[in-house]
Amino acid sequence: GQSLEQPSEVTAVEGAIVQINCTYQTSGFYGLSWYQQHDGGAPTFLSYNALDGLEETGRFSSFLSRSDSYGYLLLQELQMKDSASYFCAVGGGATNKLIFGTGTLLAVQP
Amino acid sequence: GAGVSQSPSNKVTEKGKDVELRCDPISGHTALYWYRQSLGQGLEFLIYFQGNSAPDKSGLPSDRFSAERTGGSVSTLTIQRTQQEDSAVYLCASSLVTGGDEKLFFGSGTQLSVL
Repeated sequence: GQSLEQPSEVTAVEGAIVQINCTYQTSGFYGLSWYQQHDGGAPTFLSYNALDGLEETGRFSSFLSRSDSYGYLLLQELQMKDSASYFCAVGGGATNKLIFGTGTLLAVQP
Repeated sequence: GAGVSQSPSNKVTEKGKDVELRCDPISGHTALYWYRQSLGQGLEFLIYFQGNSAPDKSGLPSDRFSAERTGGSVSTLTIQRTQQEDSAVYLCASSLVTGGDEKLFFGSGTQLSVL
């Protein structure tokens, strides 16, 4: 089966850097994705890592280590609008379906 | 439209009634997912359609739940004999799966309330 673990909550201040970790277990791993969901909204895609290393997209970066079954999302120069839930997701298994972690609620404080 | 469309946006029903939830994916997207999200919780996988392959129904919580996708496009999730624990937001997502890139586009969801 597939399973993912993330911290349930993270708190940080504006302008700071925060890292949200994700460990996963899956068969037939294809890649690790990250999604952002604001309260009352739909999840939106942030990043996708298929290979080891760091992918950077503006203030957000995502890292993957396939050998450690581990990844993280790094958010820099935090803004109040970054307050949201962040989900990691893996595709794998026989049908490559996408399974989501339980989500990390990020609270950015002034 | 340009995005994933779900209807209705809100549905209130009585325990024991059947409900149908509709999803219109982005045109040309071959993959379609249904997820369920309870308040403050994660996204629970329900079912996955990929092209002409048999759907992956491994996430459906009971035989009261079923889904179909007609003509490789519109999908309907049906819940029979609804129970109060079925109350949640039901999210549909679609993707154009190429080379393993799994960028899902989500609809705004259907908020289901079972009284």
